[in-house]
Amino acid sequence: DTGVSQDPRHKITKRGQNVTFRCDPISEHNRLYWYRQTLGQGPEFLTYFQNEAQLEKSRLLSDRFSAERPKGSFSTLEIQRTEQGDSAMYLCASSFADRGIGKLFFGSGTQLSVL
Amino acid sequence: GQQLNQSPQSMFIQEGEDVSMNCTSSSIFNTWLWYKQDPGEGPVLLIALYKAGELTSNGRLTAQFGITRKDSFLNISASIPSDVGIYFCAGFSNAGGTSYGKLTFGQGTILTVHP
Repeated sequence: DTGVSQDPRHKITKRGQNVTFRCDPISEHNRLYWYRQTLGQGPEFLTYFQNEAQLEKSRLLSDRFSAERPKGSFSTLEIQRTEQGDSAMYLCASSFADRGIGKLFFGSGTQLSVL
Repeated sequence: GQQLNQSPQSMFIQEGEDVSMNCTSSSIFNTWLWYKQDPGEGPVLLIALYKAGELTSNGRLTAQFGITRKDSFLNISASIPSDVGIYFCAGFSNAGGTSYGKLTFGQGTILTVHP
């Protein structure tokens, strides 16, 4: 399977705990994105990387959220001190930098439930 | 911030019928895209539009980039049961120096097809 892979698919945690999600993009893609989706809404941009550089971060992203993409390959998204409002589907996507704006390939997401 | 308004919010149709949905914005977008999302999966790109007035087809799907650059529509002809899902419009605007990573998504149109 050469698609975008996300792990875990589901995560249940208690409020106040830290969680970390992993994303493995399509290997040839140099851009990687994180989006968040709540029930009944479209995906909402969080951050994106070109290679290992984090080029933009949403103002909606609090300091409790951090993303990394060491060596420009896989990426991790960490949420510290989780809150119930963090419950959502976290989607990772990847793309080529020069093959059409917006042509993102999404993974199946990580569903986070904060109790 | 930028918002995309999709209509209708949901549609219930019979197999074989044609479907039309649209997306509007109060601000200009330079790129319009249409994605489809199945339950438990990430969105999948259907059509990308890069030029005002552009009309593009992908099989039974046809989408247009509005002349004003503030709207787009998607048509599905001769619907089949596997067309069931949530359809999202998405736009990119480079206003304000936004980097190329950030797409704005609509809230989605839920399509149900009765056999």
